[in-house]
Amino acid sequence: GQNIDQPTEMTATEGAIVQINCTYQTSGFNGLFWYQQHAGEAPTFLSYNVLDGLEEKGRFSSFLSRSKGYSYLLLKELQMKDSASYLCAAGSSNTGKLIFGQGTTLQVKP
Amino acid sequence: ETGVTQTPRHLVMGMTNKKSLKCEQHLGHNAMYWYKQSAKKPLELMFVYSLEERVENNSVPSRFSPECPNSSHLFLHLHTLQPEDSALYLCASSQGTSGALSTDTQYFGPGTRLTVL
Repeated sequence: GQNIDQPTEMTATEGAIVQINCTYQTSGFNGLFWYQQHAGEAPTFLSYNVLDGLEEKGRFSSFLSRSKGYSYLLLKELQMKDSASYLCAAGSSNTGKLIFGQGTTLQVKP
Repeated sequence: ETGVTQTPRHLVMGMTNKKSLKCEQHLGHNAMYWYKQSAKKPLELMFVYSLEERVENNSVPSRFSPECPNSSHLFLHLHTLQPEDSALYLCASSQGTSGALSTDTQYFGPGTRLTVL
């Protein structure tokens, strides 16, 4: 079957580091996306991993382990504007589509 | 500015009304998508069009009817909806040239917040 699991909510402090985990079970897995969605706005692309390892992009990094069916999004030097929902999505070559998790709502506090 | 626009942003309709949602992408993409986003639930893929041909219909009730007149425009026609259809409806587009839409980065519009009374 197809399944994506990520925590529903997380809270972190401004200036800190937070890691948002995502586990997936996807037949024909062919890549893992992370999107950011502020309340009332469109989801925006953050990262795409298809190979194992860490991809760094400024304050945000994304990690993938295909053998473990696991990914995480790492946010450093948290800012108040990082308060948003973070969506994990796995691609399936079998179905030809993305399967989304329910999203992790991150609240950054002063 | 995402390059994908949706109108209207908010819509309230009765169960007997007929309305349409519009999506336009200015990115030169070949694939377009309709998603439903309900509170505390994952994004649900409804329809996918690639080069104006429907390639995915995810067991969506017939009261939702998509239309893709060209690669830049996508409509979702609504008829005899139910209160449980109240949700945020998101449109997205992607390049659609890779042959594997599941590896395409999708670009989303801001959504239409639909309330069915």
